[in-house]
Amino acid sequence: DAGITQSPRHKVTETGTPVTLRCHQTENHRYMYWYRQDPGHGLRLIHYSYGVKDTDKGEVSDGYSVSRSKTEDFLLTLESATSSQTSVYFCAISESQGNYGYTFGSGTRLTVV
Amino acid sequence: GENVEQHPSTLSVQEGDSAVIKCTYSDSASNYFPWYKQELGKRPQLIIDIRSNVGEKKDQRIAVTLNKTAKHFSLHITETQPEDSAVYFCAASIWDKLIFGTGTRLQVFP
Repeated sequence: DAGITQSPRHKVTETGTPVTLRCHQTENHRYMYWYRQDPGHGLRLIHYSYGVKDTDKGEVSDGYSVSRSKTEDFLLTLESATSSQTSVYFCAISESQGNYGYTFGSGTRLTVV
Repeated sequence: GENVEQHPSTLSVQEGDSAVIKCTYSDSASNYFPWYKQELGKRPQLIIDIRSNVGEKKDQRIAVTLNKTAKHFSLHITETQPEDSAVYFCAASIWDKLIFGTGTRLQVFP
């Protein structure tokens, strides 16, 4: 498809449980991003990576952690899921920093009950 | 902090009319401004972008303008069609990431 896949596509989890979302790319792009999409808020950056083991926080990073042990995989972990983390999560990739368009994955719809 | 404001939040037009969506950004260092279209249940997709050394860019019925002095940029869609109905997001680059606006839901009525 677009060289980027997210898994799972849908997930329902209980409050307090850890959850990991996976983003996998086949484009060998250096930059990877995690955004959450909520009505009225658009796309907000959670964390991003500018290389293997190189990550940084975005504007809504509290309660989330990330890891990137390989170029192709970027994992987002909710340490202890809360209802406020119910959202659609999008991963994006970019070949260069900040001045090239992103390619987005298909998204993961996460519901925390 | 870095901020991108987008207006309007919703926009309804008759088929064949033009639509304009406006964004403002806060960081004068921003130099790249893409626009994304997101259809219902789908991923956002890049439709057009502009860099800070250009004032206007066109691609068929879509155009983007940039005013760096005022920190404004706009998306113009002419001769709108029902398939243009979607949510549109503007974004501005801040170093190695993009900050997005809150989106505009465009509805084109036949």
